[in-house]
Amino acid sequence: EVQLVESGGGLVKPGGSLRLSCAASGFTFSRYTMHWVRQAPGREPEWISSIRSGSSYIYYADSVKGRFTISRDNAKNSLFLQMHSLRAEDTALYYCARDRTTLIGDNDFSGHVFDFWGQGTRVVVSS
Amino acid sequence: IVMTQSPATLSVSPGESATLSCRASQSVSSNLAWYQQRPGQAPRLLIFGASIRATGVPLRFGGSGSGTEFTLTISSLQSEDFAVYYCQQYNNWPPYTFGQGTKLEIK
Repeated sequence: EVQLVESGGGLVKPGGSLRLSCAASGFTFSRYTMHWVRQAPGREPEWISSIRSGSSYIYYADSVKGRFTISRDNAKNSLFLQMHSLRAEDTALYYCARDRTTLIGDNDFSGHVFDFWGQGTRVVVSS
Repeated sequence: IVMTQSPATLSVSPGESATLSCRASQSVSSNLAWYQQRPGQAPRLLIFGASIRATGVPLRFGGSGSGTEFTLTISSLQSEDFAVYYCQQYNNWPPYTFGQGTKLEIK
């Protein structure tokens, strides 16, 4: 069974930092593109970052570029999001999501949709 | 690409059908997904490629459309289907963009 468990959220002051983690199990983590998606209260989900299986390609939304850093440790089946210079508008539930990656032999092809999601970790940026 | 969903809220009786719409500000070909989000839960992938049901999704969920106009149809509504539905484009990325959602409520 695919499981994604986020942690590391909390209350932080504007300008502060947090590091989110996502522990993955039930699939070969190292072969999948992974994403972070956040959702502010009452709003639609917002994609914020993606990382390919071998960390060769990394993408960010403009809203977080230069402030957030995505990374992964395939040996530990873990995904991370380092967040700096946090703002009130970063307040949201942060989800780790697996990409619907197609595996063919030694190759992986991103599907660009999010087929499994964790339950999220809440980040509140407030003074 | 801006995704616009309509209506914002749809009231339908159990057992009836519901039709939800999603419009893209420019063509996204068939690179369109639908998600269901129940209260207090993470979104769940229902449809990708505009019309392909994800694993385990009941046959009563159907997607159609291409280009800029898309539809999610849910037939014979069950109690567990009343939720918020989002569309997401993945034709022009980054970023991947979501619509603002349609809340499907019990009439």
